[in-house]
Amino acid sequence: GDSVTQMEGPVTLSEEAFLTINCTYTATGYPSLFWYVQYPGEGLQLLLKATKADDKGSNKGFEATYRKETTSFHLEKGSVQVSDSAVYFCALTRGSSGSARQLTFGSGTQLTVLP
Amino acid sequence: NAGVTQTPKFRILKIGQSMTLQCAQDMNHNYMYWYRQDPGMGLKLIYYSVGAGITDKGEVPNGYNVSRSTTEDFPLRLELAAPSQTSVYFCATASPGFMNTEAFFGQGTRLTVV
Repeated sequence: GDSVTQMEGPVTLSEEAFLTINCTYTATGYPSLFWYVQYPGEGLQLLLKATKADDKGSNKGFEATYRKETTSFHLEKGSVQVSDSAVYFCALTRGSSGSARQLTFGSGTQLTVLP
Repeated sequence: NAGVTQTPKFRILKIGQSMTLQCAQDMNHNYMYWYRQDPGMGLKLIYYSVGAGITDKGEVPNGYNVSRSTTEDFPLRLELAAPSQTSVYFCATASPGFMNTEAFFGQGTRLTVV
């Protein structure tokens, strides 16, 4: 079945440091890939997405590129802020015609940014 | 805009008790989902629904039941609570154009079974 593997956390960085959170996936066909973010006490919300190979998703200074050859979708940000402290989830969906679209999630990576 | 509303936010149950986790949406989305989030384990799909009157099992359905009588509501029922059901539960909705759009999540229900 489909699966998503994220780098284990937690990750602690100083403000303005460079962030990379690795994500690789296993899925047949051509999945869409997502990064969701969960701030403390809240539900998940979409951070960015990419729906085909070589697409780059970006939002709020975060970027991720859909690499089909390496089955990866690594999240990056050049300069993190304290407000970026959250849990980040990589996810995929491979909805096929006639079936419900199901999101498959990675285990999440806790990011803490120190001032 | 309310979006996806889950109630209650917190609950403590004793082993063997029953309860219903409520999920309501005002987005007119056909697809609704229940996930559980265990520490370090990501989110696991419990049940999902593609429309009123239609439900199906996800990855971890044992110990749970759902119903979908309206587009807006998708309650999750725990009949005989067990400690293994201690978790954070999230309800989510999506439109049929899922692969190109996002899913919307409620704020979660933190359930402890003692």
